Amino acid sequence: IVLTQSPGTLSLSPGERATLSCRASQSVPKNYLAWFQQKPGQTPRLLIHGASHRAPGIPDRFSGSGSGTDFTLTISRLEPEDFAVFYCQQYAASPITFGGGTKVEI
Amino acid sequence: EEELVESGGGLVQPGGSLRLSCVGSGISFTNYWVNWVRLAPGRGLEWVANIKDDGSETYYVDSLRGRFTISRDNAKKSASLQMNSLRDEDTAIYYCATGAGWLINQWGQGTQVTVSS
Repeated sequence: IVLTQSPGTLSLSPGERATLSCRASQSVPKNYLAWFQQKPGQTPRLLIHGASHRAPGIPDRFSGSGSGTDFTLTISRLEPEDFAVFYCQQYAASPITFGGGTKVEI
Repeated sequence: EEELVESGGGLVQPGGSLRLSCVGSGISFTNYWVNWVRLAPGRGLEWVANIKDDGSETYYVDSLRGRFTISRDNAKKSASLQMNSLRDEDTAIYYCATGAGWLINQWGQGTQVTVSS
C-alpha cells in the first residue's frame, strides 16, 4: 500500500490550524493508519493510531480522521513545539509503509 | 524504565556486512513483534523488516529481502538485523521499534550505519 502525503511542506505560524493529508493507493484494512511526529535528532513519536485514536499523552489539539484511502491529521492550534516532520503509516498489511512526510515549518 | 537499545552501527565499505542488535529492558519484549525502521539522509522513514513475538514469522520490504535478515533471541530479550552486501543507499539511522501487533509505539534511540569507501 503506497501512502502519498501532501503537502510536502506546510509553512504556518503558531496559533494557526494545520491540515495534513495522507492518501493510500488502496483501502487500508481496519483503518490501521497511524501518524507520527519526528523532530530533528529525535525518535518518532506516535500521535494517532487506528486513524483517529490519540496515543496516550498526546494533546487534544492533535486529531485524526478519515477512512478507506483518505486520511487527515489536524493540529487545531499550532504550538511552537509542534513544528516537525509528520508521517502517516499503514500497519495493516505487509510491507508496512510510511508516507513521504510533511514538514510543518514556521 | 521501558527501553530499547540498539548497537552495532558504524562505518562499513560498500559490499560489507554489519549486524545490528536491539536489547529490550523493562518491557515484555517476548510479547511483541520487533521492527527495524530506518531514516536515510534527506529521505523519510522506511520500514525494513519485522519478526513475530515467537520468531515464527518474518516480513521484509521487497527491496531488501535477500540482503537483510531479521532474527531474535527471546531468552536474551534481543533482536538482530544482519545486513549484507551493503550499498551507499543503506546509509541511515536504524531504529528498533516494538508495539502492540504491528502498531509501533516504542522506539530505540537508533544506531547510525554509514556505508562509504
